[in-house]
Amino acid sequence: EAGVAQSPRYKIIEKRQSVAFWCNPISGHATLYWYQQILGQGPKLLIQFQNNGVVDDSQLPKDRFSAERLKGVDSTLKIQPAKLEDSAVYLCASSLVGTVPSYEQYFGPGTRLTVT
Amino acid sequence: RKEVEQDPGPFNVPEGATVAFNCTYSNSASQSFFWYRQDCRKEPKLLMSVYSSGNEDGRFTAQLNRASQYISLLIRDSKLSDSATYLCVVTFLMNRDDKIIFGKGTRLHILP
Repeated sequence: EAGVAQSPRYKIIEKRQSVAFWCNPISGHATLYWYQQILGQGPKLLIQFQNNGVVDDSQLPKDRFSAERLKGVDSTLKIQPAKLEDSAVYLCASSLVGTVPSYEQYFGPGTRLTVT
Repeated sequence: RKEVEQDPGPFNVPEGATVAFNCTYSNSASQSFFWYRQDCRKEPKLLMSVYSSGNEDGRFTAQLNRASQYISLLIRDSKLSDSATYLCVVTFLMNRDDKIIFGKGTRLHILP
């Protein structure tokens, strides 16, 4: 079974530039999550989708971050404009069932973003 | 008080020893609890769910103490391959939405 795919794996940009990350979840997984993991910290949930609808985006900095999952399958996360403090690993995860997170989340390899 | 707190460690433990660490949570209405494992520069992977009755999977035992609001992870007969960061995950209901909170993780080093 193919895992969660993410691209790019690494990205270096200058502050105030824009960047986009892509995620393709495991086939059949209805729920998709984007996390931000800063070095030395645990993952912080940015946004959770159930199919193509947003379940929770309370911790997404909406002035600069946006995410979509138009067809309920793959998803993109965008940062515009980037700040130095956005340097982190951006993890995408998916799970099999709905909004109740009782089921295992499968994580992709992450995108390591460096903002200079 | 932070929503989910873990001792960051590192815990340096000789191979074969038993090690245990806790994770405390602040929301008494928390519903689900998990331990994830994260190897250096890798993605987190589910280690085990934590049930009210406690659960065991081989050398790993997880327990939940609702009265004191913490979960624990016990590793017996530790192996070098157990070296990793262990992330505590707690979910709770807020405004009809499930909130997922990861702890910062506890680093474990198994020493040969």
